[in-house]
Amino acid sequence: AQTVTQSQPEMSVQEAETVTLSCTYDTSENNYYLFWYKQPPSRQMILVIRQEAYKQQNATENRFSVNFQKAAKSFSLKISDSQLGDTAMYFCAFMSGGSQGNLIFGKGTKLSVKP
Amino acid sequence: NAGVMQNPRHLVRRRGQEARLRCSPMKGHSHVYWYRQLPEEGLKFMVYLQKENIIDESGMPKERFSAEFPKEGPSILRIQQVVRGDSAAYFCASSPSRRDQPQHFGDGTRLSIL
Repeated sequence: AQTVTQSQPEMSVQEAETVTLSCTYDTSENNYYLFWYKQPPSRQMILVIRQEAYKQQNATENRFSVNFQKAAKSFSLKISDSQLGDTAMYFCAFMSGGSQGNLIFGKGTKLSVKP
Repeated sequence: NAGVMQNPRHLVRRRGQEARLRCSPMKGHSHVYWYRQLPEEGLKFMVYLQKENIIDESGMPKERFSAEFPKEGPSILRIQQVVRGDSAAYFCASSPSRRDQPQHFGDGTRLSIL
């Protein structure tokens, strides 16, 4: 069975600085998708970034980028120029390419951006 | 374009009562997923439905829980004879097809059992 591990329960960063959130996963498959979701205090689930495993190029979305290391099964999220609005829970998620589309989530990292 | 709509936002039930949670997917989306989030945990998959069909219910508890997505109207997650352990946030997500990401999430229903 696939698993997703986020080893940092909590992190903090100063406004305008850069922070990296870690995520590792376990799968025997070669075709899959990886995601980072943000859950602010309002509890919405907001997609931050997505990566297809067959793509070697790391995905980027404005201030958010990933470091996808397929051999190491690692999928970290880098947030540059952190803003107060980035304060939230961040969840890493895995979806098997052969699945029905259900997401497997990690337990999350609580990120606090300090002024 | 309306997003995924879930209601109610908060639901309070006493032990033994029934809870009904509703989810209207985004327009044009025919795939619905239900997830449960326990306190201090990530989301856990429960069930995946298409119109009038349950495709994957491998994450659903075997008893008291059921889900439907009728031809007309919202998807319903039904919990019978609720217990304290059912207290959680229940999220619905929809997508046009199972591989067409992202899954768009609703704001969730927070279920509290007294």
